[in-house]
Amino acid sequence: AQSVSQHNHHVILSEAASLELGCNYSYGGTVNLFWYVQYPGQHLQLLLKYFSGDPLVKGIKGFEAEFIKSKFSFNLRKPSVQWSDTAEYFCAVNPYTGRRALTFGSGTRLQVQP
Amino acid sequence: KAGVTQTPRYLIKTRGQQVTLSCSPISGHRSVSWYQQTPGQGLQFLFEYFSETQRNKGNFPGRFSGRQFSNSRSEMNVSTLELGDSALYLCASSSQAGDEQFFGPGTRLTVL
Repeated sequence: AQSVSQHNHHVILSEAASLELGCNYSYGGTVNLFWYVQYPGQHLQLLLKYFSGDPLVKGIKGFEAEFIKSKFSFNLRKPSVQWSDTAEYFCAVNPYTGRRALTFGSGTRLQVQP
Repeated sequence: KAGVTQTPRYLIKTRGQQVTLSCSPISGHRSVSWYQQTPGQGLQFLFEYFSETQRNKGNFPGRFSGRQFSNSRSEMNVSTLELGDSALYLCASSSQAGDEQFFGPGTRLTVL
């Protein structure tokens, strides 16, 4: 069965610092990849997704992610974080099998200090 | 376009009882998936329905069941509740296989 690993469980940054959250997955076939964000008290929202094509994808709020197939990775980045980015971030994988079951990583709690 | 709605938002039950949660997908979406979110286990897939048929099921006991109606609305049922069933239950809808899923606000179930 596939699995998703997020190496950073809790990250604390100051405003304007750069962010990179790691995500690795284990699945040998083609996958669709997602990053979701859960702001305090809100529901899960999609940040960005990768299906195919350019491995560097851009999402909302200045986030981007790079798919590196050889490393089975899909790391999330943002050049300059804001206090409003404080949230929990989840990486998710959907093997390209026609099924819609997402396998989520354990999440990374990001705390941005003003 | 209205988002995914879930009712009720909060539930308190006691061990041994059963509970039914409801989910209305985004208009036009025919796929509904359910997830359980807990601090210890994170987000775990429960099951997926498409056109009233269960297409996929996660590793949960048979006490967890669901169904989907012809209007794509879905319900999940948990029978003989256990303390460990306390969690946030999330519903998500999507239109195409493998496409992004849109999540509802969840139903927070507390089992006493």
